[in-house]
Formats: sequence, C-alpha cells, structure tokens
Amino acid sequence: AQKVTQAQTEISVVEKEDVTLDCVYETRDTTYYLFWYKQPPSGELVFLIRRNSFDEQNEISGRYSWNFQKSTSSFNFTITASQVVDSAVYFCALSDLRPGYSSASKIIFGSGTRLSIRP
Amino acid sequence: DTGVSQNPRHKITKRGQNVTFRCDPISEHNRLYWYRQTLGQGPEFLTYFQNEAQLEKSRLLSDRFSAERPKGSFSTLEIQRTEQGDSAMYLCASSLVDRGNEQFFGPGTRLTVL
Repeated sequence: AQKVTQAQTEISVVEKEDVTLDCVYETRDTTYYLFWYKQPPSGELVFLIRRNSFDEQNEISGRYSWNFQKSTSSFNFTITASQVVDSAVYFCALSDLRPGYSSASKIIFGSGTRLSIRP
Repeated sequence: DTGVSQNPRHKITKRGQNVTFRCDPISEHNRLYWYRQTLGQGPEFLTYFQNEAQLEKSRLLSDRFSAERPKGSFSTLEIQRTEQGDSAMYLCASSLVDRGNEQFFGPGTRLTVL
C-alpha cells in the first residue's frame, strides 16, 4: 500500500527562522514521484516541486530546499529565513507509475502540516 | 485565464438534496481527476477520466456519487441524497495523458451539507 506520513500537524515559528517539514512515504513501486504542494488560506493547491524516484539530488530554489533520501523513505522540505507569506498548509504527496499505464494516475497526499510564521 | 476552473465555488445544501459540480480542465488536457478534501486532511482521490472514459474509481466513491465527462471536455460530479459527511472541498485537476504526474488543480468547490 502507498502512504504518506506528515507527523508534524502544526508548526509555529518566528519570522526569519528556518523550518523543516518532514515527510515519510511508503510504496512498493520502484518508480514513483514525490511532490510538495502549498495550500494558502485561499484554498488553491500550489505546486512546489516534483521529484522522481531515480533522482536523489537535493534541490534548492530560492529559500526553499528539498532533501530526498531513499534509504529512509523521506522527502523533507526546508524553508530558510521564513516569512509571514509562507504561512499555509503544506502537503507532501506520492504518485506511482504502474505497469501497463502510460503515466501515473492518482496522487496520494499526506495529511498536511500547518505552518504559521509569526511576525 | 487558461487554468482549471470549477463552479460553483461554494455550495450550501440541506441533507437529502442532490448537488452537481462542474469542472472545466485546461483545454488540451486529456485527463481529468476528482479529489475530495475534508477538514484537516489532504486531498483524497475519487476518480479520473481519460477523454470520455472513466478509468478508475476509488472506494470512496459511493453509489450516491456519479461523475461524467460526456464529450471529453468538462466534467460533472453529482452527489445524490447528500449527507452531512459529504461536506468537504471537491477538487478537480487535469493533465496531459502522458503527464499524469503533472496535475494542475482548480480552486475547488466547498460543499456544506446542513
């Protein structure tokens, strides 16, 4: 079975602090994709990043960075120098590529981490 | 704007009534997905279409739920005899057929069943 676990339900930090959101996933597939989405109060899901299972390189995009470790089935997300605008619910997610299908279908989401950045 | 659109954005109904939501995907996208998000949870997959064909349905999609995509463009999700447990955000997403891992989400329809 596929599963995504975000153990941190809520995190609150003061602006300019660094914060890491944890994500642990389970899958029996050898080919899969991992995602992070942001859901601000407006409700719309904003795509942040996608990684495939063969690419374990860490990635940095501005203040955002992602650490993918297959050995621990983790895909953690760090925000450096957090800002109030980073306040949102963040979802880690997983999709697979099953034999016979040309592309992944459903995305499986974790339960999210609510991040609050205090001024 | 050429993103995924959903209507209505909000719907309040009384228990037992039927409701229908509409999703208009990005125009060149062959695949269309429906997800449901309850309070404090992540979105959960309900079903998806490739063109007009409904290829997969989750066990979450009870007999009271039906989704259609008659012409392979927009889709409707109908809930019959609504229950309070149906209160949720219903999200639609679309993708190209060979890019199922690049799903673009709409703003959602928030359903409240009184």
